[in-house]
Amino acid sequence: EVQLLESGGGLVQPGESLRLSCVASGFTFSSCALSWVRQAPGQGLEWVSGVSGSGGATYYADSVRGRFTISRDNSKNTLYLQMNSLRAEDTAVYYCAKDLSSTRAQKMDVWGQGTTVTVSS
Amino acid sequence: QTVVTQEPSLTVSPGGTVTLTCASSTGAVTSGYYPSWFQQKPGQAPRTLIYSTSNRHSWTPARFSGSLLGGKAALTLSGVQPEDEAEYFCLLYYGGILVFGGGTKLTVL
Repeated sequence: EVQLLESGGGLVQPGESLRLSCVASGFTFSSCALSWVRQAPGQGLEWVSGVSGSGGATYYADSVRGRFTISRDNSKNTLYLQMNSLRAEDTAVYYCAKDLSSTRAQKMDVWGQGTTVTVSS
Repeated sequence: QTVVTQEPSLTVSPGGTVTLTCASSTGAVTSGYYPSWFQQKPGQAPRTLIYSTSNRHSWTPARFSGSLLGGKAALTLSGVQPEDEAEYFCLLYYGGILVFGGGTKLTVL
């Protein structure tokens, strides 16, 4: 069974940093692109970032480019999202999602349950 | 800034048929946008229903179908069930960047 388990969320102050993790199981991790998607309270979904199966290609939404860094450790079956210079508008549930493609996020299939990030003073 | 537009809300009767659409501010949606559709119920993570325009996942009921319709991506629900009441999001691919639509709240009444 494919499973994705996010962790690392919490309450931080504006300007601080946080690193999210997503541990995967049940599939060949390095063969699948992955994405981070977030959902602010009461709002819709927003794609944040994606990474190829090898980790060699990364993509970002304009809203986070330059502040967030996506990476993966294929030896640990783990996806990361390093979030710096956090703002109140980054408050959201963050989901990781697996893709059927190996090169870039195009065909999401399985989602994790999410981890909550709250940015507030 | 690219905007993906969905109907904010739709209502359908049980057993009926409804079509949700997904439009791109850049022009007609084609298969090259790899349209995907997701269902989300309150308090739950999203669930993928359709990818690459019309492909169902193994868990997607056959009453859900995806297509291109009049320059938009479309999700059609045939024989709607009460449990289909949810919010539905589309997703389009723009050369590495992905953009979600604002979501359609589907009421089954």
